[in-house]
Amino acid sequence: KAGVTQTPRYLIKTRGQQVTLSCSPISGHRSVSWYQQTPGQGLQFLFEYFSETQRNKGNFPGRFSGRQFSNSRSEMNVSTLELGDSALYLCASSSGLAGSTDTQYFGPGTRLTVL
Amino acid sequence: SQQGEEDPQALSIQEGENATMNCSYKTSINNLQWYRQNSGRGLVHLILIRSNEREKHSGRLRVTLDTSKKSSSLLITASRAADTASYFCATRIGAQKLVFGQGTRLTINP
Repeated sequence: KAGVTQTPRYLIKTRGQQVTLSCSPISGHRSVSWYQQTPGQGLQFLFEYFSETQRNKGNFPGRFSGRQFSNSRSEMNVSTLELGDSALYLCASSSGLAGSTDTQYFGPGTRLTVL
Repeated sequence: SQQGEEDPQALSIQEGENATMNCSYKTSINNLQWYRQNSGRGLVHLILIRSNEREKHSGRLRVTLDTSKKSSSLLITASRAADTASYFCATRIGAQKLVFGQGTRLTINP
């Protein structure tokens, strides 16, 4: 089974621009979560989608948005980029069955640099 | 603030030695998970321990959970250079988001 894939792997943008990151989950997984990882804040939860519905949301401004498609693929969008948005953005998929066996499988991440 | 806090923040040991990392959390949990991250890459799931379990093994990994103290430990026995990575604990409360700690950076010296 193919793992979680994220595109692009690296991205350089300038302040004020917007960016869209893509995540393809493991086949059969219906849940996709997004995380932002920075040296200062560590791993911060962004949002979680299940069957095209946002199930949970982290404490990020409205500039951060996401969606999930019927094939479980997910995208996240960041508008009006700020220098502080430079980070590794990680996507994780799971079967979506909340509870004790809900293991997350992570993609390699997208490294976003905002200049 | 983070639900899970790892201790120590950094650990450096000789190859072949055992490495122990600890994680403390604040509220009751359904399960606690440990992940490994090699430099700048995605996380790899290592082991999940449920709230009604006290100890779990997977190869050279041993995880314990003490719900009365709200703490967990990860022991890696007979460490290898390839174990050099950051290790994170993560907790899930009910159907809520998975919350990660700040991680322990483990360095195995040859």
